[in-house]
Amino acid sequence: KNQVEQSPQSLIILEGKNCTLQCNYTVSPFSNLRWYKQDTGRGPVSLTIMTFSENTKSNGRYTATLDADTKQSSLHITASQLSDSASYICVAEVSNDYKLSFGAGTTVTVRA
Amino acid sequence: DVKVTQSSRYLVKRTGEKVFLECVQDMDHENMFWYRQDPGLGLRLIYFSYDVKMKEKGDIPEGYSVSREKKERFSLILESASTNQTSMYLCASTDGQGTSYPEQYFGPGTRLTVT
Repeated sequence: KNQVEQSPQSLIILEGKNCTLQCNYTVSPFSNLRWYKQDTGRGPVSLTIMTFSENTKSNGRYTATLDADTKQSSLHITASQLSDSASYICVAEVSNDYKLSFGAGTTVTVRA
Repeated sequence: DVKVTQSSRYLVKRTGEKVFLECVQDMDHENMFWYRQDPGLGLRLIYFSYDVKMKEKGDIPEGYSVSREKKERFSLILESASTNQTSMYLCASTDGQGTSYPEQYFGPGTRLTVT
């Protein structure tokens, strides 16, 4: 069964600090790994997409890493801002299939 | 910019009512999706559509049906709403032509409450 597990479930950080979110996936055959940001009451918005051959990808202050051997990914937020408060969702895609497997998300709260 | 719109942000319906959720995308995308999102769970796929009048069941199709009469519009129908269908419903679309890893663009969501 395709599964995506994220940790922690939630975290609180002070503005300006860094944080790292974790994602473990069991998806076969694996195509790509995505990270989405979802603001409260909004639909998810894509941050990064990485294929099995990519180790890291950045989008501004967001940097995602992928280890296809251990089936792990992380999302690092640098110098957090209040606007980073959101749910971050890890998503794995099966090859040749539009179906995506979604993690439950990590809720990040940035405090001033 | 791709725009995916959903007909309502908030909806309150009574048990047994027939409910229509509408989704429209403006980028001529072939593929459209309906998901539901519940606390502590990842998004779960209800139905998707590859083309006009084409539909495929997702992981949780029970209690739902869909309609795609025009390329830009994908409707989710709850034939007889039940309280366990209280949820956030998200529509998404993606371009399946000539793209290796097509981006899924999401609408803002409809929060449905069934009482």
